[in-house]
Amino acid sequence: SYVLTQPPSVSVAPGQTARITCGGNYIGSKSVHWYQQKPGQAPVLVVYDDKDRPSGIPERFSGSNSGNTATLTISRVEAGDEADYYCQVFHSSPDYSWVFGGGTKLTVL
Amino acid sequence: RLQLQESGPGLVEPSETLSLTCTVSGGSISTSPYYWGWIRQPPGKGLEWIGSIYSSEITYYNPSLKTRVTISVDTSKNQFSLKVTSVTAADTADYYCVGDRGDGWFDPWGQGTLVTVSS
Repeated sequence: SYVLTQPPSVSVAPGQTARITCGGNYIGSKSVHWYQQKPGQAPVLVVYDDKDRPSGIPERFSGSNSGNTATLTISRVEAGDEADYYCQVFHSSPDYSWVFGGGTKLTVL
Repeated sequence: RLQLQESGPGLVEPSETLSLTCTVSGGSISTSPYYWGWIRQPPGKGLEWIGSIYSSEITYYNPSLKTRVTISVDTSKNQFSLKVTSVTAADTADYYCVGDRGDGWFDPWGQGTLVTVSS
């Protein structure tokens, strides 16, 4: 099965840039999606297809994907961005499956 | 806009069957071209895809759960359901129902429901 690897935690000061990585074998050939989950809430899609943002998601959230690593970048980090972030891909071989990374806790210092 | 809502028992005894239902509102489950699915999250842990169903009959399951899981659709009630047999404490989790429009990502999500496996 396909495995996605995320760092357990990332810390950043307010106003700085946070980068959360998601590693996978040739992940650059897949579309990567990112979710934000705050305590007690359901996950919310913040980036889809590597770099696109759903309506209502601030431009501060962006994504990239190349080689074996996808990255979620949050610019000008705010206290309200503190949350768990999960990457996810759709994998079609040998059968359809939807795969999540283990999640990264973003702490705003 | 589609909205999803989970329902079902919050407590299940070990070795029994966990059954949850997801009610779809804001659209028809039979005409909406979605993969309807379930995701779970044990307390303090990450997200795990359980399985999905397309066109009311084509199912896809996480290999780690495949032998115990069944997902089905009831178009007359605009609902889809999850059954997990022979549950243990390891099945204790928040369970979310989700939709994938075929683009590979999940949106919308239900609010989630906590299921505890305990005697």
